[in-house]
Amino acid sequence: AQSVSQHNHHVILSEAASLELGCNYSYGGTVNLFWYVQYPGQHLQLLLKYFSGDPLVKGIKGFEAEFIKSKFSFNLRKPSVQWSDTAEYFCAVSPYSSASKIIFGSGTRLSIRP
Amino acid sequence: NAGVTQTPKFQVLKTGQSMTLQCAQDMNHNSMYWYRQDPGMGLRLIYYSASEGTTDKGEVPNGYNVSRLNKREFSLRLESAAPSQTSVYFCASSEAGTQTDTQYFGPGTRLTVL
Repeated sequence: AQSVSQHNHHVILSEAASLELGCNYSYGGTVNLFWYVQYPGQHLQLLLKYFSGDPLVKGIKGFEAEFIKSKFSFNLRKPSVQWSDTAEYFCAVSPYSSASKIIFGSGTRLSIRP
Repeated sequence: NAGVTQTPKFQVLKTGQSMTLQCAQDMNHNSMYWYRQDPGMGLRLIYYSASEGTTDKGEVPNGYNVSRLNKREFSLRLESAAPSQTSVYFCASSEAGTQTDTQYFGPGTRLTVL
């Protein structure tokens, strides 16, 4: 069965600091990978996704993620965070052959100090 | 387009009461989903509907029923609410049928069962 691990439950950074949120998945086959963001009081929004091709994926608001197949990882990065990036971030994975069967990680809460 | 809409936004129930959460999408998507979000556990799939007229159980279906009323609407029913069903419920939809499927989420319903 597939699973997703997000190791950091709560990350606190100052503005302009660099961000890297870890995500590891467990699945034996080819996967689709996602990062969703949930701003306070809002619903989940897609930040970026990887299906195939270039393992470095760029998303909205300056975020990017790198798929490292050998490490089963899909870490999210941003070179310089802003206060408005305060949110909860969810990594998710689905089997390549069944995009509907998506499994979410438990989330990482990101707090940015102004 | 409104995207995915959910009603109500908030609800308080007493143990044993029943209620139906409504979800509608105007993106002509084939697939619809119901998730619950609990602190530290990410999103867990309750039920999904791959296409109009079909429904399938997800990870945590016990205590819930669903109805895919038509292509636009997918409702979630709690027949006899229990405190363990206190959660935030999200509806989502996706085009489906392709391997690049992406889910779009509604704003959520915050349910408290006393």
